[in-house]
Amino acid sequence: SQQGEEDPQALSIQEGENATMNCSYKTSINNLQWYRQNSGRGLVHLILIRSNEREKHSGRLRVTLDTSKKSSSLLITASRAADTASYFCATEAGKSTFGDGTTLTVKP
Amino acid sequence: EAGVVQSPRYKIIEKKQPVAFWCNPISGHNTLYWYLQNLGQGPELLIRYENEEAVDDSQLPKDRFSAERLKGVDSTLKIQPAELGDSAVYLCASSFFGDTGELFFGEGSRLTVL
Repeated sequence: SQQGEEDPQALSIQEGENATMNCSYKTSINNLQWYRQNSGRGLVHLILIRSNEREKHSGRLRVTLDTSKKSSSLLITASRAADTASYFCATEAGKSTFGDGTTLTVKP
Repeated sequence: EAGVVQSPRYKIIEKKQPVAFWCNPISGHNTLYWYLQNLGQGPELLIRYENEEAVDDSQLPKDRFSAERLKGVDSTLKIQPAELGDSAVYLCASSFFGDTGELFFGEGSRLTVL
């Protein structure tokens, strides 16, 4: 069963703008991970946030976690055309817990 | 350091034919996963190995799919016979920390069944 559900399904922005995508899940978690997938490629791990953390930064990425609402958000600041990809959240990633992703298009 | 290696990258077969995919995980990673990804969807776990033991194969269609991980390193996923609905990307991933850590994915094997 898929637990992570991303929103929106698709997002189109201009280069330089910020992109925010959200993830909701259903059961208690130990951690939540975000992955990126470029077209025709495998998934690449971006960031992991543990259940006792509320916010985490990595370069232009900012992830928040609200365990009371069972939700997480991924913010990409100052987006670039190279950020065009699908983004997935995963809880307990070694199990079938990926959502269907948010497809981000960054226009140059 | 080499990443997760999968082959073949692309495979086109006719229905009812057999097909096999191979995966070489990152050295030292004891956990190996096979995922199926349909177009526009997220990965769905087929099977997870801890060393050579399959610890979660509940989503593997065992009537036609089989997998093995001899010696706890390389793994092979087989489909026999293939059906039209098996057309998808088969992703292999590995990790060092079991099911709570970062997964490292290969580039995938894209199967087209005609």
